[in-house]
Formats: sequence, C-alpha cells, structure tokens
Amino acid sequence: VQLLQSGGELKKPGESLRISCEASGYNFTTSWIGWVRQTPANGLEWVAIIYPDDSDSRYSPSFRGRVTISADTSISTTYLIWESLKASDTAIYYCGRLPFFYDGSEFLGMGAFDIWGQGSQVTVSS
Amino acid sequence: DIQMTQFPSTVTASVGDRVTITCRASQSVSDWLAWYQQKPGKAPRLLIYKASRLHSGVPSKFSGAGSGTEFTLSISSLQPDDSATYYCQQYSNFYSFGQGTKLEIK
Repeated sequence: VQLLQSGGELKKPGESLRISCEASGYNFTTSWIGWVRQTPANGLEWVAIIYPDDSDSRYSPSFRGRVTISADTSISTTYLIWESLKASDTAIYYCGRLPFFYDGSEFLGMGAFDIWGQGSQVTVSS
Repeated sequence: DIQMTQFPSTVTASVGDRVTITCRASQSVSDWLAWYQQKPGKAPRLLIYKASRLHSGVPSKFSGAGSGTEFTLSISSLQPDDSATYYCQQYSNFYSFGQGTKLEIK
C-alpha cells in the first residue's frame, strides 16, 4: 500500500499548477483521501479530502476557493489544483489516506491518515 | 475551528527513559484523536488513532490515553531512533493538528 506523489514544482505567482498522488495496493475508490499542507509557520493543516467513488469532497475553510481537489478512479490518482498561485502557497503538500478503521465488526471511525505520500514541495516565487 | 495545543514544545530525555507528551483541545473531541511521528524530510507516520488504539505495526512502547479535551502520548524505553517531532490531530470536527513536540534524545 503506497501513495506516490508528483515531484517538486517551482512556479511564478499567478501561474496554475496541478500536483498528483497515485495510490496503489488498495481499493482506491473506497477510502477517503486528502491533502495536508506543511509550512514552518503554520505546521500541518488539512486542505481538502475526497471520496473517489463519487467525488464527494470537503474543503477546509482556509483553503476553499483557493484550490480544487479531484480524483481519477481509472488511474487511482487524486489531484490538488491551483488556478492562480500565490507566494503564500509555498509549502510541502502531502496526500494521505483516511481509512475506515474496524476491530472485527466494531467501527472505530474515520479521520486518521494511515498512509502518506512522500510530499511535494511547491515553491511560488517571482 | 478546534484548536489543538501541545506541550511541551521540546523535550529532552535520555536513552531508556519514558516521556509523556500532552495535547489539549479547545473543545471536546471525544476520543477522535490521533498521534503521528515525523522525522526530518519525511512524511508523518500514524502511531495512535481513536486516542489509544495502536496502529498496525507500531511498537507497544507507544501508548495513548485521554478523552474529551486532554490527551497524552507516552513513549517508553527511549532509543535514539525515537528522536522526532510528534503531532496530535483531532478528527471530531474535520481536522486540525497540534503544533508539534520535538523529542530529543541525549
């Protein structure tokens, strides 16, 4: 089971960007998957999550309107998309799986990221 | 938004020691609380979920406790490899992370 992210990106303010996260080793359609941003100033922040089977998505209020999350089930890949980057988008972005935890038949919830990608460094600078 | 506060920010301990890190939520998160370990240049690694459930493959030297607004992560028999930053994360109302506790082994 792994998540493989696209490589680092150096972009200028105003440019668009799409980073990707390819899942393997599990059924991509039946676990939520999301993006988490990490910066020295703000630490770890969740950005957005998506359920690939029906593309139901949720956004952090801090990021809604700034990014779009999508998923392509044919290639088990989720994307994070910016239309117009800002310098403040500079960060490491991780994708992470959000499985449904069970102990036998007991449901133990969903919301902990159990598998993470290796991270994608996004740098926005003029 | 639920704010998560960890303390201490940094802790230094010796090989063989036991250390406890605390995480406090600004409102009750029940037991919807996870702990992660992150080493420099690496992604976080899930250690504990649902406050006290040890994730698959994680050694039993890690243990979690608490509910409501106060939680702890304890690490026993410290080894140099335990040097890392540890984060708590609530998932009661979407998601938010603590600011991290850096563990140094001397």
